[in-house]
Amino acid sequence: DAGVIQSPRHEVTEMGQEVTLRCKPISGHNSLFWYRQTMMRGLELLIYFNNNVPIDDSGMPEDRFSAKMPNASFSTLKIQPSEPRDSAVYFCASSFWGQTALPFNQPQHFGDGTRLSIL
Amino acid sequence: SQQGEEDPQALSIQEGENATMNCSYKTSINNLQWYRQNSGRGLVHLILIRSNEREKHSGRLRVTLDTSKKSSSLLITASRAADTASYFCATALNAGNNRKLIWGLGTSLAVNP
Repeated sequence: DAGVIQSPRHEVTEMGQEVTLRCKPISGHNSLFWYRQTMMRGLELLIYFNNNVPIDDSGMPEDRFSAKMPNASFSTLKIQPSEPRDSAVYFCASSFWGQTALPFNQPQHFGDGTRLSIL
Repeated sequence: SQQGEEDPQALSIQEGENATMNCSYKTSINNLQWYRQNSGRGLVHLILIRSNEREKHSGRLRVTLDTSKKSSSLLITASRAADTASYFCATALNAGNNRKLIWGLGTSLAVNP
């Protein structure tokens, strides 16, 4: 079975440009998570969706960041305008929660990430 | 210090030896999860242990949870060079509206052939 697919794998762009990261979760999973990983701060949860609805976006650092999940098989994380401090590896993960399940009670399946460099 | 801190930060052992990593946390949790990350790759789930469990096994992996000490350990027995990776613990909090999954900074394990 295909795992979580992220694109692009690498992105280098200049400060001020718009950046769009894409994610295709595992088929059948109903929850999707966006993370950012840096050496200094480790892995940070930015936002997560359940059944395509954003549940908690308190980890989104600024209004420059936005995320959408228009359907069960696709999500985007957008940064506009981008800044050098946004440079990091961005991961998407998915999992399945039953109707009565609590969040984070199931393993998460990660993509291989997008390495973003803002010059 | 943050929830879910791994100890040690780095560990170097010889192939065949056992590796033990620890994770400490501060508040009550619903479950604790261990993940592995190979260089340049995403995280891979290893074991999830719930707050009412004390020990779980998966192949050469053994995870213990001591809720009284707010700590967990991951033991890898008979290590192999392929076990070289970073290992992360994540603690799940599910208390009313306070629902979080908080990650530690990881233990970097090097297994030398």
